[in-house]
Amino acid sequence: NAGVTQTPKFQVLKTGQSMTLQCAQDMNHNSMYWYRQDPGMGLRLIYYSASEGTTDKGEVPNGYNVSRLNKREFSLRLESAAPSQTSVYFCASSVGQGVYEQFFGPGTRLTVL
Amino acid sequence: GQQVMQIPQYQHVQEGEDFTTYCNSSTTLSNIQWYKQRPGGHPVFLIQLVKSGEVKKQKRLTFQFGEAKKNSSLHITATQTTDVGTYFCAIKKGDYKLSFGAGTTVTVRA
Repeated sequence: NAGVTQTPKFQVLKTGQSMTLQCAQDMNHNSMYWYRQDPGMGLRLIYYSASEGTTDKGEVPNGYNVSRLNKREFSLRLESAAPSQTSVYFCASSVGQGVYEQFFGPGTRLTVL
Repeated sequence: GQQVMQIPQYQHVQEGEDFTTYCNSSTTLSNIQWYKQRPGGHPVFLIQLVKSGEVKKQKRLTFQFGEAKKNSSLHITATQTTDVGTYFCAIKKGDYKLSFGAGTTVTVRA
């Protein structure tokens, strides 16, 4: 099993450009998450999907949108990138309600110029 | 909302020495998890603590949940270079979410 995969691994954007970060898991998990990680700030939740067909905002949702395409895939879209969105983005998944251990993907390192 | 504070933010350790990192909350926690992130890597789940006063060991790592379930600690004995990285605690937030601490970044002097 590949676990949680993310594409791309690295990306450089110009301010105002858009892009979609892809995430997929093969563990048959119900819940999926998008985090951003900035130095000294730990992991901050952007959006999550408790189960297929549902999405909810996390701590820092502004400037992002998500799509839970199916049970396996959860994408994160930046419609108009800003330098403040320069960060490392992690996708994670977990079994679901009541089981909190999260499995993380390798991350996408995004720079917005 | 419910948050956790991790101390210290940075820990510089001589190889072979012991150290402890702490995770503190102002409210009673239902459980707490610990993750490790190697430099350039992604967070990896280490352990979950649920019971008051619970102590769990993984080789040289000892995890403890406080009696009042408001704090937790991670103690590493005989630190090795493989222990380098950032250690995060995380607490349950709602039915599906975790809230992560800011982490303790550990460096090791050989």
